[in-house]
Amino acid sequence: SQTIHQWPATLVQPVGSPLSLECTVEGTSNPNLYWYRQAAGRGLQLLFYSVGIGQISSEVPQNLSASRPQDRQFILSSKKLLLSDSGFYLCAWSDGGVGGWGFGNGTRLTVT
Amino acid sequence: QKEVEQNSGPLSVPEGAIASLNCTYSDRGSQSFFWYRQYSGKSPELIMFIYSNGDKEDGRFTAQLNKASQYVSLLIRDSQPSDSATYLCAVKLYNFNKFYFGSGTKLNVKP
Repeated sequence: SQTIHQWPATLVQPVGSPLSLECTVEGTSNPNLYWYRQAAGRGLQLLFYSVGIGQISSEVPQNLSASRPQDRQFILSSKKLLLSDSGFYLCAWSDGGVGGWGFGNGTRLTVT
Repeated sequence: QKEVEQNSGPLSVPEGAIASLNCTYSDRGSQSFFWYRQYSGKSPELIMFIYSNGDKEDGRFTAQLNKASQYVSLLIRDSQPSDSATYLCAVKLYNFNKFYFGSGTKLNVKP
């Protein structure tokens, strides 16, 4: 079965500091990978998705970026965090079919 | 215009009753439809998905899809207090491998 690992679980960072969140998937090959952000009490906002190594599509222009250096690795980065970057960040995978996907346990980021 | 719309609730039902959650979507290219349950502070967990018009049942849960009217619903029979959570509707677009989520409906099941 597929499992998705995401770390760290919680993170407190000052404004202007860099960010790196990592996500890896096991048990599948060539998955579609996604980064979502959920602000407090809100729905999930799609940030980036990737259908293959080096292929990144951005949904929302902002100071975040994503990279996919390996088939099952997806990284979310920022050079300088803003207060508005606080939220619950979720990595997700999909097999590209009509179903079959899931979420990591999430990273709760607080920018102070 | 939001791609996926849900009533934020809260929806309150007594224990043992049927809870009905609704979701509408705007893109007719939507391919498949998902219902997730999210407990506070946790990541969403998949309840079920549906991609054909009609009903799909899984235990106490039934998903209903009407593509002509662009809505999808989730019925929870014999609601339990443990069903109290936020329920997220998501749609997958056919051509772009993108999943869009609604903002969720908060369900409270009262003992």
